[in-house]
Amino acid sequence: AQTVTQSQPEMSVQEAETVTLSCTYDTSESDYYLFWYKQPPSRQMILVIRQEAYKQQNATENRFSVNFQKAAKSFSLKISDSQLGDAAMYFCAYKTQGAQKLVFGQGTRLTINP
Amino acid sequence: DTGVSQDPRHKITKRGQNVTFRCDPISEHNRLYWYRQTLGQGPEFLTYFQNEAQLEKSRLLSDRFSAERPKGSFSTLEIQRTEQGDSAMYLCASSFLDGWGTDTQYFGPGTRLTVL
Repeated sequence: AQTVTQSQPEMSVQEAETVTLSCTYDTSESDYYLFWYKQPPSRQMILVIRQEAYKQQNATENRFSVNFQKAAKSFSLKISDSQLGDAAMYFCAYKTQGAQKLVFGQGTRLTINP
Repeated sequence: DTGVSQDPRHKITKRGQNVTFRCDPISEHNRLYWYRQTLGQGPEFLTYFQNEAQLEKSRLLSDRFSAERPKGSFSTLEIQRTEQGDSAMYLCASSFLDGWGTDTQYFGPGTRLTVL
């Protein structure tokens, strides 16, 4: 079974600094998708960024970028120029090509210090 | 542009009672998902619909749980004879298969269930 592990329960960063959240996953599949979702306090989960496993280029969305290391089964999220609004729980998620369910990690709580 | 909506947002019930939650997906999204999220954990998959057909159910979905999507639009999740262990956030998500062969799931705000 596929599993997703986020080894950092909590992280904190100074406003305007850069922070990297870690995620590793376990799968025997070759075609899959990886996602980072953000869940602000008492608010709904929103998609931050998505990576297709067949793409070698790392995905980027404005201040958010990923470091996808397929051989190492690692998928970290880098947030540049951190803003107070980035404070949230961040979940890494995996989906096999052809399957529908997302498999989530345990989450990392990110605090932004002003 | 309306997102996924869920009703109610909060539900408090006594053990043994039945509860029903509703999810309205993003219009034209043909896929709908239910997840359960307990405090401090990531969401766990419960079930999935494509149009009105329920195509996958998790082992987490005991026989006290039933989900429907009668016309391929909104969905309901019913829990019968609630137990304290059912206390959780129930999340609904919807998706549409895009031209790239990928469907991204968009989540609703969730229904927080507390069983006393």
